Amino acid sequence: DAGVTQSPTHLIKTRGQQVTLRCSPKSGHDTVSWYQQALGQGPQFIFQYYEEEERQRGNFPDRFSGHQFPNYSSELNVNALLLGDSALYLCASSLDRGLSSGELFFGEGSRLTVL
Amino acid sequence: AQSVSQHNHHVILSEAASLELGCNYSYGGTVNLFWYVQYPGQHLQLLLKYFSGDPLVKGIKGFEAEFIKSKFSFNLRKPSVQWSDTAEYFCAGALYNFNKFYFGSGTKLNVKP
Repeated sequence: DAGVTQSPTHLIKTRGQQVTLRCSPKSGHDTVSWYQQALGQGPQFIFQYYEEEERQRGNFPDRFSGHQFPNYSSELNVNALLLGDSALYLCASSLDRGLSSGELFFGEGSRLTVL
Repeated sequence: AQSVSQHNHHVILSEAASLELGCNYSYGGTVNLFWYVQYPGQHLQLLLKYFSGDPLVKGIKGFEAEFIKSKFSFNLRKPSVQWSDTAEYFCAGALYNFNKFYFGSGTKLNVKP
């Protein structure tokens, strides 16, 4: 039973560039949430996708956007990268928006460095 | 505004010592509370959760947490830690619909053998 997988694991970008991060949810899960974890901080909620739509959004600018595909996988896109976007980006999956068990299953993250 | 705070950023204990990690939450309504753990080199995983009912909840590996509504707290405890408990621990909260989790800043636990 595959867990949550994310790619790439590490990447380096320069300011102003754009990045796309990818996530495959745990088998059987239909909901994907994205979190940003800056160094020394806890994960901060970016947004949640369910049924291919953004259902909830955290306090992040429009430069952060996402997509969910029919197979439930998801992408996180960040445009016009800033130095402050350097962080670990975590994908978490759940079933039925988490209503079934309330539990999030996390991937190992994509570490983005912006120079 | 909803938030979760953890008091201790770094805790160092010897094996067999007792552990208590503090967590306080700030919510306007019904809250669901969680402790997640991240072992070195691994992903975040659920340790235990509280939705309602018995305020003392037991999780994996001998951990437990007590929900005290009057203190807005959900502290994590373990009577006797092991070296393998070395990890970072995150307290988290979610409202009734679980669509957004709020995490504390984490506590790094270092258990000396």
